[in-house]
Amino acid sequence: QKEVEQDPGPLSVPEGAIVSLNCTYSNSAFQYFMWYRQYSRKGPELLMYTYSSGNKEDGRFTAQVDKSSKYISLFIRDSQPSDSATYLCAMIRMDSSYKLIFGSGTRLLVRP
Amino acid sequence: DAGITQSPRHKVTETGTPVTLRCHQTENHRYMYWYRQDPGHGLRLIHYSYGVKDTDKGEVSDGYSVSRSKTEDFLLTLESATSSQTSVYFCAISSSFGSNQPQHFGDGTRLSIL
Repeated sequence: QKEVEQDPGPLSVPEGAIVSLNCTYSNSAFQYFMWYRQYSRKGPELLMYTYSSGNKEDGRFTAQVDKSSKYISLFIRDSQPSDSATYLCAMIRMDSSYKLIFGSGTRLLVRP
Repeated sequence: DAGITQSPRHKVTETGTPVTLRCHQTENHRYMYWYRQDPGHGLRLIHYSYGVKDTDKGEVSDGYSVSRSKTEDFLLTLESATSSQTSVYFCAISSSFGSNQPQHFGDGTRLSIL
């Protein structure tokens, strides 16, 4: 079983919709959480980075962490066709390894 | 792309041949990483470096070796390429290891082994 689970999608929404992307994890040692956006044939680009439970907002993006449920989310408001990409969650295991573990990514398509 | 250049960007080669991928950074970051990305598996760590000549294995290191002779360059070598190593390879850098500094990625090398 993977340490980090993420629905691969694809998720197709109309322009202007609110998008919800989610990841679950199994190990309570994960403490730092990130969301990366990856366009086709490009490298992952860091979108959001958070530690504590609760919400963190940056423009149209909100990252939410619920450590008690081992569940993280990324919300995109007023989605645009330019948001069409694959979104990867990632988290750092705060044990001796300090390794960054990625979800497999959710492909998002925003239709004009 | 946070000053990261990967070369080559694309490569096609045959089984059994040696292959070297290069990652060059202009950020003077201490930590450098090599990942591979495959459908359904996300990004998996191959090797990483925590300084010149200091490297360690990741979760999928078998069949790969690395070298770092200068702060700015991190090389990934497939000594005898196999078809299972067909993948997209990403280099990443960070200024610290672990919690407080996230990793930034290059644009990848697409490697096909026939």
